[in-house]
Amino acid sequence: AQSVTQLDSHVSVSEGTPVLLRCNYSSSYSPSLFWYVQHPNKGLQLLLKYTSAATLVKGINGFEAEFKKSETSFHLTKPSAHMSDAAEYFCGANFGNEKLTFGTGTRLTIIP
Amino acid sequence: DTAVSQTPKYLVTQMGNDKSIKCEQNLGHDTMYWYKQDSKKFLKIMFSYNNKELIINETVPNRFSPKSPDKAHLNLHINSLELGDSAVYFCASRRSGIDTGELFFGEGSRLTVL
Repeated sequence: AQSVTQLDSHVSVSEGTPVLLRCNYSSSYSPSLFWYVQHPNKGLQLLLKYTSAATLVKGINGFEAEFKKSETSFHLTKPSAHMSDAAEYFCGANFGNEKLTFGTGTRLTIIP
Repeated sequence: DTAVSQTPKYLVTQMGNDKSIKCEQNLGHDTMYWYKQDSKKFLKIMFSYNNKELIINETVPNRFSPKSPDKAHLNLHINSLELGDSAVYFCASRRSGIDTGELFFGEGSRLTVL
């Protein structure tokens, strides 16, 4: 079955330290992959996307993600966390149908 | 101008009532979606319309009925509300030709059923 798994439901990092949010997918072929961010009481906003071009994708607010086919992963990183990064992050995949399938989300907390 | 706007933002109602949530997008997109986000933040697609035509209908009780009067609007009507319908409902849209995952979301409508 095609699915998206976010390995951590909650990640806490100190301000100024690196952020790593993990995402794996399950599919017989490489899907298009996305990261969205949701701030409290807001809708989701696209951070970045992978659609079979460069495997290292740069997004907004200093975030990056690397597609690794051998590991079926698309982990989200940022070199230095900022307080404004505190939010819920969703990994999503398009498996070739008309819809976007999301993981269960990772809540990122930034410690001052 | 808000790109994808939903009304109402909050809705509190009693079990058994019927309620509607409205969505409008001014982006010129022709595909619109309804997603449901439960209390654990899990997001699940409910419906999708393309140019007023239903293209996705996930396993959703038939108490939920979407309606798209034109490609800029997608409304959600819910009959006989149940406690389990309490959630945040998100409307989203995208443009044809753009990868299916690049969606623009509204800010959500929080439905509480008492």
